[in-house]
Amino acid sequence: GDSVTQMEGPVTLSEEAFLTINCTYTATGYPSLFWYVQYPGEGLQLLLKATKADDKGSNKGFEATYRKETTSFHLEKGSVQVSDSAVYFCALSRRTGGFKTIFGAGTRLFVKA
Amino acid sequence: NAGVTQTPKFQVLKTGQSMTLQCAQDMNHNSMYWYRQDPGMGLRLIYYSASEGTTDKGEVPNGYNVSRLNKREFSLRLESAAPSQTSVYFCASSELSGGNTIYFGEGSWLTVV
Repeated sequence: GDSVTQMEGPVTLSEEAFLTINCTYTATGYPSLFWYVQYPGEGLQLLLKATKADDKGSNKGFEATYRKETTSFHLEKGSVQVSDSAVYFCALSRRTGGFKTIFGAGTRLFVKA
Repeated sequence: NAGVTQTPKFQVLKTGQSMTLQCAQDMNHNSMYWYRQDPGMGLRLIYYSASEGTTDKGEVPNGYNVSRLNKREFSLRLESAAPSQTSVYFCASSELSGGNTIYFGEGSWLTVV
């Protein structure tokens, strides 16, 4: 069945460091791919998404490219800030075949000043 | 600009007690969901409603019931609470059930003692 695997955390970085959070998926067909972010004490919110192969989603300095050949959707940011400290979830969702949104386990990011 | 609203935000129950978590969305979405979030487990789907008038089991439905009261409201009931149901519960909605962004409420922290 469909699945999402993302790197285990926590990830601890200093401010202005480069961030990569790896995400790979297993799915039939052509799912949409998402990154959601959860700040402390809040629900998840969409960070970015991509709906087809080679699409790049971007928002707030974060980017991720839909790579079908490697079944990956890695999240990157060139210079993290303390305010980026949160839990990041990779997810996939199919457009057909009924309900299918699968979340990864989440990766906690700590950014130190 | 409410989005998805869920109540209560915090609740402590004794084992065997019952309670209902309420959820409403004001985005005219067709699909609604209940997830639970536990440390190290990511998000797990309890029940979902692809459209008004339908409900289906998710990954972890045992011990829960749901009601899609109308297009806006989707409630989750614990008939006889158990300590294993201590968790953070999130209500969410999306325009359609596949391939769409999911919008989350702020969460309900439930402790069963």
